[in-house]
Amino acid sequence: QTVVTQEPSFSVSPGETVTLTCGLNSGSVSSPHNPGWYQQTPGQAPRTLMYSTNTRSSGVPDRFSGSILGNKAALTITGAQADDESDYYCVLYMGSGIWVFGGGTKLTVL
Amino acid sequence: EVQLVESGGGLVQPGGSLRLSCAASGFTFSSYWMFWVRQAPGKGLVWLSGVNTDGTTTHYSDSVKGRFTISRDNAKSTLYLHLNSLRAEDSAVYYCTGDLRITDFWGQGTLVTVSS
Repeated sequence: QTVVTQEPSFSVSPGETVTLTCGLNSGSVSSPHNPGWYQQTPGQAPRTLMYSTNTRSSGVPDRFSGSILGNKAALTITGAQADDESDYYCVLYMGSGIWVFGGGTKLTVL
Repeated sequence: EVQLVESGGGLVQPGGSLRLSCAASGFTFSSYWMFWVRQAPGKGLVWLSGVNTDGTTTHYSDSVKGRFTISRDNAKSTLYLHLNSLRAEDSAVYYCTGDLRITDFWGQGTLVTVSS
């Protein structure tokens, strides 16, 4: 069974840079997986930050960036701010029309 | 402005059925694959199903294959999800989204509660 892995939680201080990752329990993540990243605060719908690895969604600040780092997809937040404190989810395309989300990372900014 | 508005959620008994709708506006609906994603209370996002631009190709996660059916009406710019044989574990907020490869469209979700 394919499992998309994310750090369950991460803590960062304001102004610091943080990189969240999105991997696979078997194999490496690469561009054909079309990694996407989503931000969600409690009670709200997800907001797309990034799709197709590194295409920033409209209105998303450029301190958010997406990439492939090693064998994982990565979301980097440069200069974290208090309102970046959210849940972050990644999604990967598995082929044959199937997508799988990761379990999410709870980011704390303190 | 792109808008996706889900409707049709509610309280349903185990074994029951429901039809969710997602009304789209602000973009050329017929040009995009569309998907359904759900989120159980306190849990993460789960991709459920996708349909191609003309509705002829559909895909499902193993968790809903055979019970849920995705469809679309391009003339009405509306996406549907038919939910059958509902179980308690299907209780969730259901979101419709645009093609995750190339769009950032999300609706606000509709809540489905399966309970006797």
